[in-house]
Amino acid sequence: SYELTQPPSVSMSPGLTARITCSGDSLPHQYAYWYQQKPGQAPVVVIYKDTQRPSGIPERFSGSTSGTTVTLTITGVRAEDEADYYCQSADRNGKIVIFGGGTKLTVL
Amino acid sequence: EVQLLGSGGGLVQPGGSLRLSCAASGFTFGTYAISWVRQAPGKGLEWVSAISNTGGATFYADSVKGRFTISRDNSKNTLFLQMNNLRADDTALYYCAKSVAGTVLGFDSWGQGTLVTVSS
Repeated sequence: SYELTQPPSVSMSPGLTARITCSGDSLPHQYAYWYQQKPGQAPVVVIYKDTQRPSGIPERFSGSTSGTTVTLTITGVRAEDEADYYCQSADRNGKIVIFGGGTKLTVL
Repeated sequence: EVQLLGSGGGLVQPGGSLRLSCAASGFTFGTYAISWVRQAPGKGLEWVSAISNTGGATFYADSVKGRFTISRDNSKNTLFLQMNNLRADDTALYYCAKSVAGTVLGFDSWGQGTLVTVSS
């Protein structure tokens, strides 16, 4: 089965840069998506198709890819960015959607 | 504004059935693939099933294959999930999620979810 691996938690002080990684063998072959989920709320996409930022998402959110790893970077972290972040992609055949286990971002 | 309104959740006994619905508005429903994604209490996101824009292609996670059936009625802008032979580990908040244009596999809008509890 295909898996996406994320660190369970990341902590960062306000104003600094947070990076959340996601690793998986299918990532060179399928786009990655990143979702932000705050307590009691539905997920919101912050990055789609590896590097694209939806309208309304602050510029401090960016995505990058390198081989089997994709990275969500939050430049100048704010308290309001504290949330769970999930990466998502698909298997190599494009028939199964996969989520990473999620990373809890704590803003110190 | 895209809206996805899930309904049909509730308490059901193990082995029972439930049919979820997701009413869509604010976009051309028949143009986009749609998925169901669930989240067990305190846990992460788990994709359940997807359906192409026409309904001609369907996809399932191994955990629900053979028990769940996804369908859609483009004339009524509504997505469905028929869930049979439910188990305790199916207990979760079920979200419907609209796919990004041109793909089945990523989501740009999510509903608020409908809660399914499987318990005796």
